[in-house]
Amino acid sequence: QIQLQQSGPGLVKPSQTLSLTCAISGDSVSSNSAAWHWIRQSPSRGLEWLGRTYYRSKWYNDYAAFVKSRITINPDTPKNQFSLQLNSVTPEDTAVYYCVRDYSSSWPSFDPWGQGTLVTVSS
Amino acid sequence: QSALTQSRSVSGSPGQSVTISCTGTSSDVGGYNYVSWYQQHPGKAPKLMIYDVSKRPSGVPDRFSGSKSGNTASLTISGLQAEDEADYYCCSYAGSHTWVFGGGTKLTVL
Repeated sequence: QIQLQQSGPGLVKPSQTLSLTCAISGDSVSSNSAAWHWIRQSPSRGLEWLGRTYYRSKWYNDYAAFVKSRITINPDTPKNQFSLQLNSVTPEDTAVYYCVRDYSSSWPSFDPWGQGTLVTVSS
Repeated sequence: QSALTQSRSVSGSPGQSVTISCTGTSSDVGGYNYVSWYQQHPGKAPKLMIYDVSKRPSGVPDRFSGSKSGNTASLTISGLQAEDEADYYCCSYAGSHTWVFGGGTKLTVL
């Protein structure tokens, strides 16, 4: 059974960097058949796909256009985890952030999800 | 991309059926058979209920079914039960390695 465990600060100051980590159990971040995503949810903007990282003989990343200039998703193979960094945050980035795996039977779907981390951007 | 359009709320009595719609464009819902649906209870992470328009993951009751016509996808829940009360979100692959979600529909079981 694949499980995702998120960690990271719940409060970030404006203009600083949001950093979250997702630890994977039951699977490998380097799997050739998996992709690892970050999705966020806020009352004002709903669910938003942010980006993904995946390994297919080399590492690839895809990012949503609206955050592309500010986002980095990195794998950490020794620790079997992946991370999200979002630079220059504003209060609009306040949301619950989820790490997610693509569903094993259908890569465009998402399952399982991490427990979610509420990140508040405030001074 | 713009978010997919879902009605804000829907309701039904136990045992009845309800349908939640999700409207996109030919660039997302209409362009790919990659619509998925998620159930979310308060304070919990979303749960995959339907993938690839109409397929159910193992463990999801067959009361949940999905379909698509043109740029609109639908989730139908038959034989409503109290535990079905939740928010439901659609999601579609939108090409170029991107995804778009709907705004969510709140299902109330009367």
